[in-house]
Amino acid sequence: KNEVEQSPQNLTAQEGEFITINCSYSVGISALHWLQQHPGGGIVSLFMLSSGKKKHGRLIATINIQEKHSSLHITASHPRDSAVYICAVRPYGGSQGNLIFGKGTKLSVKP
Amino acid sequence: GAVVSQHPSRVICKSGTSVKIECRSLDFQATTMFWYRQFPKQSLMLMATSNEGSKATYEQGVEKDKFLINHASLTLSTLTVTSAHPEDSSFYICSARTGVVEGYTFGSGTRLTVV
Repeated sequence: KNEVEQSPQNLTAQEGEFITINCSYSVGISALHWLQQHPGGGIVSLFMLSSGKKKHGRLIATINIQEKHSSLHITASHPRDSAVYICAVRPYGGSQGNLIFGKGTKLSVKP
Repeated sequence: GAVVSQHPSRVICKSGTSVKIECRSLDFQATTMFWYRQFPKQSLMLMATSNEGSKATYEQGVEKDKFLINHASLTLSTLTVTSAHPEDSSFYICSARTGVVEGYTFGSGTRLTVV
């Protein structure tokens, strides 16, 4: 079993829909990251969370440390949001870069 | 914001040759750079941690003689894949800690194909 599980693996939505991507992890963590990987491969860091909720534009990320679960929400989705969204955790005591990555959720937003 | 410039974005090389991938931090100093590898449909995996002025730290199972890392300055880290084999074909990406608390900035990645 992977230490970081994401669901769904693939998601197709119509423009304007509200989207939720889930991430569950099984290790104690010091931080959780949401990343966006574009078709060309480049990665953008969206959020770093250790508790609560963060919002940036149409993106909202929440984390429940007790339940070891995080969600990424996209409001009013747009075709330009189409990408792979990756959840990554930094385990307690791990080195700075030793993130454990989920396999990603491929999002396609249709116009 | 902080930018990490990674080159080349794509490279095709013959088996047995070496390929160098560069990551430069623009507008900030990266004392530590992380190198990851991603095989198709797989998660990113940390290969090594590059520290300016000292030897890199490699993750278990990563051959240090095959994946040479140099971090000679605060703005440049390089990964050289030596004597490349087709099984080294993968997506390689670097990242650096930025001034934002625990934030990371990623390079754009390099897709290596060994033929």
